Order: sequence, then C-alpha cells, then structure tokens
Amino acid sequence: EDQVTQSPEALRLQEGESSSLNCSYTVSGLRGLFWYRQDPGKGPEFLFTLYSAGEEKEKERLKATLTKKESFLHITAPKPEDSATYLCAVQAVGNTGGFKTIFGAGTRLFVKA
Amino acid sequence: KAGVTQTPRYLIKTRGQQVTLSCSPISGHRSVSWYQQTPGQGLQFLFEYFSETQRNKGNFPGRFSGRQFSNSRSEMNVSTLELGDSALYLCASSYSSEAYTFGSGTRLTVV
Repeated sequence: EDQVTQSPEALRLQEGESSSLNCSYTVSGLRGLFWYRQDPGKGPEFLFTLYSAGEEKEKERLKATLTKKESFLHITAPKPEDSATYLCAVQAVGNTGGFKTIFGAGTRLFVKA
Repeated sequence: KAGVTQTPRYLIKTRGQQVTLSCSPISGHRSVSWYQQTPGQGLQFLFEYFSETQRNKGNFPGRFSGRQFSNSRSEMNVSTLELGDSALYLCASSYSSEAYTFGSGTRLTVV
C-alpha cells in the first residue's frame, strides 16, 4: 500500500538552531516528491519538487534532498517566520492513467526567537 | 497573477443536505485536484481533472463527485452530507500536473 510517513510530528527549535525533517515513502511508480509549507488557515504553499535519487534543491534557508526511500528537508539557521507545518507528498501514476498524490501527516515546526 | 480562488470560504450545512464547492484555477492551468483536510486524516486526495476529464479518483464514496468545465473551472459536489464530511476542502491547480498551487480552501461544517 502506498504510504508517506513524516517525522517528527512536531519540532521545536531555537532561532538559529539547524535541523532536518524526514519523509519516508513506499509507493509504486514514483513520479515526483513534493514539499509544501502550510500556515494556519491557508492552503499549502509549494516549495520543491524532486524527481530522482540524489537530487537536491535549495530555497533560502531550506534544502530538500531525495533518496530511493526518503527525503529530507534541512532547515539552516531557522527564523521564527519559518514556523509552519511542512508537508511531504509523493505523486505516482494512478490506476486510470492519471496521477495520484499522497500526502504525509506533516511536521509542525515551531521556531522560538 | 491571480491565484486559485475557492468559493465560498465558509459553509454550514445540515446532515442530509448536499453542497457544491467551486474552484477557479490559475489562468492557463489545465489540471485541477481536490483534497479533503481534517485534523485526524490530514490531506486526502479526492480527484483530479485535466481538460474536463477525471483522470484519477481517491478512496471516497460516490457521494463525492466533481466536474471541470471548458474554462478549467471546477466544482465539487457532496450529496447526503454526514457529520464526518466536516473538513477543509482544498483545490489545487497546475499547468502540467507537477507543482500545484493551492487555494485557501472552503471550510465546510456539517451540523
């Protein structure tokens, strides 16, 4: 069964304290892995798409990496404004030829000043 | 550039009623997906439309249906509402079924 597991569920950091969020997945026919950020009361905001093992992408203090079984979102020197829920999602070919996207439960990140 | 627009933002319905939610994608985006988000289940995929055709459907009962119009606007319908259908319903659009832009969602409360 296709599954996406994110850890930890919640992470509390001090401003400037770097850390990583994990997303492990089991899916057949992986097309891509996405990272999103979601603030309370809003829809998810796209961060990165990764397509193949070894790929890395960076945006400001965030860096996403991908292996065959998992992805990491590294946060370097976080600031309070980085506080949000970070969602990982995998996209695979669906049964009817389209694409299905499976989201993890998310990691809630709190960054204290 | 306008984002993904979902209407209404909030909705309260009674059990047994039906509801229709609307989504206007970003101009030029042909793919529209719908998701249900609840605290207990997280984000769950409902269905995806591309050029007016439903390409994939999640594991939801037949009470959940949708459609896409020729201008890419999409609607989602839920019939015979149940208390468990209370959730945030999110619509997302994409040009090529890759990076999706989400709307702010419709918060549905069933009483």
